[in-house]
Amino acid sequence: KAGVTQTPRYLIKTRGQQVTLSCSPISGHRSVSWYQQTPGQGLQFLFEYFSETQRNKGNFPGRFSGRQFSNSRSEMNVSTLELGDSALYLCASSLAASGKQDTQYFGPGTRLTVL
Amino acid sequence: DQQVKQNSPSLSVQEGRISILNCDYTNSMFDYFLWYKKYPAEGPTFLISISSIKDKNEDGRFTVFLNKSAKHLSLHIVPSQPGDSAVYFCAASAGNQFYFGTGTSLTVIP
Repeated sequence: KAGVTQTPRYLIKTRGQQVTLSCSPISGHRSVSWYQQTPGQGLQFLFEYFSETQRNKGNFPGRFSGRQFSNSRSEMNVSTLELGDSALYLCASSLAASGKQDTQYFGPGTRLTVL
Repeated sequence: DQQVKQNSPSLSVQEGRISILNCDYTNSMFDYFLWYKKYPAEGPTFLISISSIKDKNEDGRFTVFLNKSAKHLSLHIVPSQPGDSAVYFCAASAGNQFYFGTGTSLTVIP
């Protein structure tokens, strides 16, 4: 079974631009979560989508948004990029089967550099 | 507010010895705990998990211990190997959301 895939793997943008990152979950997984990883900060939760609905949201400004499609693929958008948005953006998928404890599986990440 | 904490940013261990990575949490509603291993420029890889109804789970060289009263979990790696050198994240969940620690960088010295 193919793992979680993320595109692109690397991205360089300039301040003020916007960016869209894509994530394809493991087949059959219905939940997709996004995280930002910066040095010394661990994994900061951005949001989680399930059945095309945002179910949970972390403490990030409105410049960070996302969506999920009917095939469970998800996109994350960051508008008006700032230097501090440079980070590794990770996507994780899980089954989210009702009543069962879940395990998230991560993609390789997208390394975003804002100049 | 960091609900999951890994207070040791780094750890060095000799090859063949035991590595013990620690994690503390504050939310008593967490019922599922996981450890992930991460190499540079890659996404975290799931390693081992434990449900709150257990206090120990083993998988080969990896054992996770859970002390609910102390809100503490630990990952033991025995014996440690150079390939184990990576950043280890603990995570906890209560329902659909996962909370991650800041990671411990493990270096296994040959």
